[in-house]
Amino acid sequence: EPEVTQTPSHQVTQMGQEVILRCVPISNHLYFYWYRQILGQKVEFLVSFYNNEISEKSEIFDDQFSVERPDGSNFTLKIRSTKLEDSAMYFCASSFWTVNTGELFFGEGSRLTVL
Amino acid sequence: GENVEQHPSTLSVQEGDSAVIKCTYSDSASNYFPWYKQELGKGPQLIIDIRSNVGEKKDQRIAVTLNKTAKHFSLHITETQPEDSAVYFCAAQKGSGTYKYIFGTGTRLKVLA
Repeated sequence: EPEVTQTPSHQVTQMGQEVILRCVPISNHLYFYWYRQILGQKVEFLVSFYNNEISEKSEIFDDQFSVERPDGSNFTLKIRSTKLEDSAMYFCASSFWTVNTGELFFGEGSRLTVL
Repeated sequence: GENVEQHPSTLSVQEGDSAVIKCTYSDSASNYFPWYKQELGKGPQLIIDIRSNVGEKKDQRIAVTLNKTAKHFSLHITETQPEDSAVYFCAAQKGSGTYKYIFGTGTRLKVLA
């Protein structure tokens, strides 16, 4: 069964360092997303991406965050200068069409710990 | 603003009993309501969803009901089994202009053998 894969599964970094989280969405999917889940809290939307550009972003997704699809398979989330409060589980997701007509498939997450 | 409340936060049931998880949403423009199951160390997986033009949907032991007037929707699991133990999240999404889900805070379900 096709799946969304994420790397790394866990990353520990010092405050102020840059972090890149990587995702390989399902190959025929067109929409890509990043969500995050702070420990014990709800899953929160960060950004959606379609046709090589951001289609929507939340207020969490400030100038410290960026996304790109550098090639035909990878979808990355970059945090330029990490803060303690960026510690969370980050989930990548993809869907074939809009969420109105397609299921959202999630990866297993990348746990980011900022010290 | 947009918000989804979910209750209870934890739920323990005996194997074979039913479990019910309830969610309330704030945005009346929401028209799609998925339920996700998250097992330990894994990402959320869709188990059932319902659209606003339907009041109830069933898939084997799992059912979801929607009351648009009250802005409530619920997940019902019958004949629970130990493998149903997980964290369950409800979510709501507006039909147009957005691709984001607003998630509930999650319910940790424990099915006791």
